[in-house]
Amino acid sequence: QQQVKQSPQSLIVQKGGISIINCAYENTAFDYFPWYQQFPGKGPALLIAIRPDVSEKKEGRFTISFNKSAKQFSLHIMDSQPGDSATYFCAALGGTSYEKLTFGQGTILTVHP
Amino acid sequence: NAGVMQNPRHLVRRRGQEARLRCSPMKGHSHVYWYRQLPEEGLKFMVYLQKENIIDESGMPKERFSAEFPKEGPSILRIQQVVRGDSAAYFCASSPSLADLAGNEQFFGPGTRLTVL
Repeated sequence: QQQVKQSPQSLIVQKGGISIINCAYENTAFDYFPWYQQFPGKGPALLIAIRPDVSEKKEGRFTISFNKSAKQFSLHIMDSQPGDSATYFCAALGGTSYEKLTFGQGTILTVHP
Repeated sequence: NAGVMQNPRHLVRRRGQEARLRCSPMKGHSHVYWYRQLPEEGLKFMVYLQKENIIDESGMPKERFSAEFPKEGPSILRIQQVVRGDSAAYFCASSPSLADLAGNEQFFGPGTRLTVL
């Protein structure tokens, strides 16, 4: 059962634009929602994470928006740069499976110069 | 502080051979996780281990796959009698002890890319 659904599958943005990636989850016991960035040939690296007690978290150009009632959260990348081109994964953790991350399918982001 | 280390980075095996993937967690981390990433898919949890104990292996195939995290040395993911469907990137992650798990963060290694011919 797919517990975290991510969209879009791929995204093309012009330099300076805003990239938005969305995720929806099913398990209401999840209580930690990280976003990972993965470059080709590399492992995922934590980008930013949020807990459900806040609706938004911002770190530099990266913002997570969280809607607990809708069970949705999204990543916004402001002023997107070519160096942001990577695959982005949302994930969730919590409930009875407190230690295993459940990942979304990933979004391939391409930022054109 | 070195990050999570995995070796080999690339591994080629013929069908029926064994694959052994190694993971050294970050210093001070006592929790290890293995994930598998099939082409163009997200990561799927396989197994969670602490020193000398398998805590959760709910994502591990029942046959041919095993994992260990001995008291001394790296964690090992072992795949016996590999088949072409085992071709994937295998990632190891580690985290501090639960007492220090304030951020729930798992730190990932660079992965081992297994190709089965």
